[in-house]
Amino acid sequence: QSALTQPASVSGSPGQSITISCTGTRSDVGDWEDVSWYQQYPGKAPKLLIYDVTNRPSGVSDRFSGSKSGITASLTISGLQAEDEAEYFCCSYSDTNTPYVFGLGTKVTVL
Amino acid sequence: QVQLVQSGAEVKRPGASVEVSCEASGHRFSGYYIHWFRQAPGQGLEWMGWINPASGATYFAQSLQDRVTLTRDTSISTAYMELRSLRSDDTAIYFCAIAPPTDVGVANWFDPWGQGTPVTVSS
Repeated sequence: QSALTQPASVSGSPGQSITISCTGTRSDVGDWEDVSWYQQYPGKAPKLLIYDVTNRPSGVSDRFSGSKSGITASLTISGLQAEDEAEYFCCSYSDTNTPYVFGLGTKVTVL
Repeated sequence: QVQLVQSGAEVKRPGASVEVSCEASGHRFSGYYIHWFRQAPGQGLEWMGWINPASGATYFAQSLQDRVTLTRDTSISTAYMELRSLRSDDTAIYFCAIAPPTDVGVANWFDPWGQGTPVTVSS
């Protein structure tokens, strides 16, 4: 399966906003509103941040927001905090023979 | 609160099989699809397959369908993933996660996840 393309790393200062991109194809991100984002700390399980492109589960900070344009989805973290330093993965439904594809992850560093 | 608890770490020889369990609590076991994923060291997540606990129906990633079996025991709210003919590149952390039902079917997102089960394949 082809992975979704994410930047390897993104950094920002406390209080700033950063955006992580997730680029796919017309078989996944481009044609489906089934993009989700996960936060993962080292040695821990992934945690759902965003589902169905823009929706936030109960309990997730409103500093996290999602969007999509064409074949690229984005996760924006506003008011960056030290606790946001983690790995972030995007995932999309795909109408190929592998129904779920992930990005390789983006390491967020808070300067 | 929905929770998934997985079995402990495993070390296996190449060619062996491994079974990882995933015990669910806090929700109606048969109401949520259970998906399995793996994450090789320093790599992203790879989707492996799902099982519908209500019917036992399964679906797998094409790359793994010849080596993986998903089962469940509804009496103890536990799902199982067996991977056979292990190779060194199967070394990874294996996760289970649930996909809840939605108004239009089953969700294509996963929450919550189990804590992960490290599987090491080494001679």
